[in-house]
Amino acid sequence: GEDVEQSLFLSVREGDSSVINCTYTDSSSTYLYWYKQEPGAGLQLLTYIFSNMDMKQDQRLTVLLNKKDKHLSLRIADTQTGDSAIYFCAESLTGGGNKLTFGTGTQLKVEL
Amino acid sequence: GAVVSQHPSRVICKSGTSVKIECRSLDFQATTMFWYRQFPKQSLMLMATSNEGSKATYEQGVEKDKFLINHASLTLSTLTVTSAHPEDSSFYICSAQTGQNTEAFFGQGTRLTVV
Repeated sequence: GEDVEQSLFLSVREGDSSVINCTYTDSSSTYLYWYKQEPGAGLQLLTYIFSNMDMKQDQRLTVLLNKKDKHLSLRIADTQTGDSAIYFCAESLTGGGNKLTFGTGTQLKVEL
Repeated sequence: GAVVSQHPSRVICKSGTSVKIECRSLDFQATTMFWYRQFPKQSLMLMATSNEGSKATYEQGVEKDKFLINHASLTLSTLTVTSAHPEDSSFYICSAQTGQNTEAFFGQGTRLTVV
């Protein structure tokens, strides 16, 4: 079955870069996503990448995909206190918001 | 952006009672809604897919008679946890999309505690 794993916790200093990692097992995953969840709020889609891409950059966010190793990472440049949240990676075979398989979530804490 | 609202955000109920959770798309019509459940320190697990006007499709291991899903309109889906037990205590979250393979927008989730 599908399995998506993340480390549970990451702490960084304000202004540093954060790198959140994710590994998945389903090689047929077509779309991979990063979601952000702030306390008391729903999941917000940050970015996504197609499986035929290696990298995608969107302002402070850089997504790297190593399809051979089934490894996905999210790099946040110049991390701010407002970036403190739980970050989920997710995969889907069909794209959009269909039947997402989520990781356990990584809690990012940004310290001053 | 599109807004999905869940109600209530927190609920405490007694064992054996039923609880209804609502998921509403506020500014768009949702042909499909998804219900997820998240236990502490675990992933969000898909419970069921709900299409407006038809029966929900449940994931393996999810009891359809216990978790009743109704998607009677294009803006509202409800999840009813029947005869709730403490092991049903969890974080329930819905998402809604306008069409197939489109982005899904998430509600803020409902924290259910069964005592």
